Amino acid sequence: KQEVTQIPAALSVPEGENLVLNCSFTDSAIYNLQWFRQDPGKGLTSLLLIQSSQREQTSGRLNASLDKSSGRSTLYIAASQPGDSATYLCAVHTGANSKLTFGKGITLSVRP
Amino acid sequence: DGGITQSPKYLFRKEGQNVTLSCEQNLNHDAMYWYRQDPGQGLRLIYYSQIVNDFQKGDIAEGYSVSREKKESFPLTVTSAQKNPTAFYLCASTPAGLYGETQYFGPGTRLLVL
Repeated sequence: KQEVTQIPAALSVPEGENLVLNCSFTDSAIYNLQWFRQDPGKGLTSLLLIQSSQREQTSGRLNASLDKSSGRSTLYIAASQPGDSATYLCAVHTGANSKLTFGKGITLSVRP
Repeated sequence: DGGITQSPKYLFRKEGQNVTLSCEQNLNHDAMYWYRQDPGQGLRLIYYSQIVNDFQKGDIAEGYSVSREKKESFPLTVTSAQKNPTAFYLCASTPAGLYGETQYFGPGTRLLVL
């Protein structure tokens, strides 16, 4: 059974710092991995999707990498801003019907 | 604007009562999903549907029921058999229900028990 782990559960950094959020998964037979952002009391917004054949994806200040063989992904946020404060969840597809397995998320706080 | 709407934003359930959460999408997506989120937890899949008039149980379907009579609608009923229904419920959709597709989420419904 696929398990997704995100450690630590919470992170606080000063504004302007570059940071890395980690995600690990137990079954490397994934189709893709997705990073989401969730603001308090809101739904999820997709940030980046990395297909199993890809090594990384970039969008603005965000860069996500995938190492399938080691079961790891990282989300790199450059020059963090207070507006980046949110919970970041990673999720993996391990079935052909778009079923996702989610991690518990990392709650990020960027201090002004 | 295309998107997913969920209503109500907050819902209160009395003991022994069934309640229904609404999910509507105008993205013309075939596949729709219901997730439950508890504090400090990841999302867990309740039910999903890849086509009208067909749906499958997810990981925690007990105490819940769904219907998919129209492509754009996928309501979730929380029955009295669900003993711990307090949670944040999220609806999502994808174009065809295949791997490789981004999931789009609604704003969620928070269910509270009186």
